[in-house]
Amino acid sequence: RKEVEQDPGPFNVPEGATVAFNCTYSNSASQSFFWYRQDCRKEPKLLMSVYSSGNEDGRFTAQLNRASQYISLLIRDSKLSDSATYLCVVNMRSTGKLIFGQGTTLQVKP
Amino acid sequence: DVKVTQSSRYLVKRTGEKVFLECVQDMDHENMFWYRQDPGLGLRLIYFSYDVKMKEKGDIPEGYSVSREKKERFSLILESASTNQTSMYLCASSSFGQGDSPLHFGNGTRLTVT
Repeated sequence: RKEVEQDPGPFNVPEGATVAFNCTYSNSASQSFFWYRQDCRKEPKLLMSVYSSGNEDGRFTAQLNRASQYISLLIRDSKLSDSATYLCVVNMRSTGKLIFGQGTTLQVKP
Repeated sequence: DVKVTQSSRYLVKRTGEKVFLECVQDMDHENMFWYRQDPGLGLRLIYFSYDVKMKEKGDIPEGYSVSREKKERFSLILESASTNQTSMYLCASSSFGQGDSPLHFGNGTRLTVT
């Protein structure tokens, strides 16, 4: 079983839709969580950190469920510019390493 | 704004050549990393460094070495390039411990080994 798992998609949604991605992690000792965004043929960029209480940044909401060991990303009112790959990243504090999921691809259609 | 610069955007090398990938960051970050990214495998950590002259193996260090002689520069070396090292290479930097602050990536080097 992979340490961090994501559904690769692609998720094809119309503009204005609400879409959610989940990411599961296997190590219960994981302590820090992030969502990165990667555009085609570009480098990943931090979208948002994920806090235990959940956090929101505009149209984006991230949540953490420690009991079930997953994090989620919700995008409301999807824009064409949201089309990208979204990477889930988990910090395994015990090893000091960040573990990346394979990413979930989102395509927003007009 | 943090800037991480990789010396080459595209590189084509022959099997057996020694290859140097250079990375420079301008934010005085302690930590620097080299990843490779392949379809279906995601980002995999090759090597990282928490300080000058320090290096730690990541998940896939075989066939690679690194050098960190100055804080701002972290070099990845392919001692004898092989076709299975054809990949996108991403350098990143961060402050504090690796998990405490986000990574800032360079724009990548797409290496093709023929």
